[in-house]
Amino acid sequence: EAGVAQSPRYKIIEKRQSVAFWCNPISGHATLYWYQQILGQGPKLLIQFQNNGVVDDSQLPKDRFSAERLKGVDSTLKIQPAKLEDSAVYLCASSLDPSGRLRGNEQFFGPGTRLTVL
Amino acid sequence: GENVEQHPSTLSVQEGDSAVIKCTYSDSASNYFPWYKQELGKRPQLIIDIRSNVGEKKDQRIAVTLNKTAKHFSLHITETQPEDSAVYFCAARGQNFVFGPGTRLSVLP
Repeated sequence: EAGVAQSPRYKIIEKRQSVAFWCNPISGHATLYWYQQILGQGPKLLIQFQNNGVVDDSQLPKDRFSAERLKGVDSTLKIQPAKLEDSAVYLCASSLDPSGRLRGNEQFFGPGTRLTVL
Repeated sequence: GENVEQHPSTLSVQEGDSAVIKCTYSDSASNYFPWYKQELGKRPQLIIDIRSNVGEKKDQRIAVTLNKTAKHFSLHITETQPEDSAVYFCAARGQNFVFGPGTRLSVLP
């Protein structure tokens, strides 16, 4: 089966510019996650969608970050305006069922988008 | 929210020796604890996971133990090989899904 797709793979922008990332999860996966991974750190959850609804966005810097999953399939993450500290790899992941009631907690990660803000 | 700590931050072992990485979590409601391996420049990949109704799980050279009372869980890798060298992350799902800061494992030939 096809894995999680992300684009672009790399992006270089200047501070105060805007940028958008795209993610297409594994077909049939209800849950989609966006993570920020700064070099040398663990992934930090930014937002979690269950179908097209937001489950957790407690760590999303909402003054500059936004995300949507309008049709419950693919998703976009936007940063506007970008800051130097936003330089990181942005990982998208999906899972079949996050509740644990069914077998399907496993998250499958995409290849990530490496963002450099100059 | 959940807070996950992980130790050690770096670990070097000789090929063939065992490696142990320990994590603690704060949310007593956490019920799912996966471990991910991330090689340089690549995406995290699940290597083993455990649910809160189980105390231990093993898959070939990899095992995970969970102590719910103490709120800690550990990854055990036996007979380490150079290809085990990577960064390992623990994670916990409670109210939130939180990753630990990672352990850089180096297996020396």
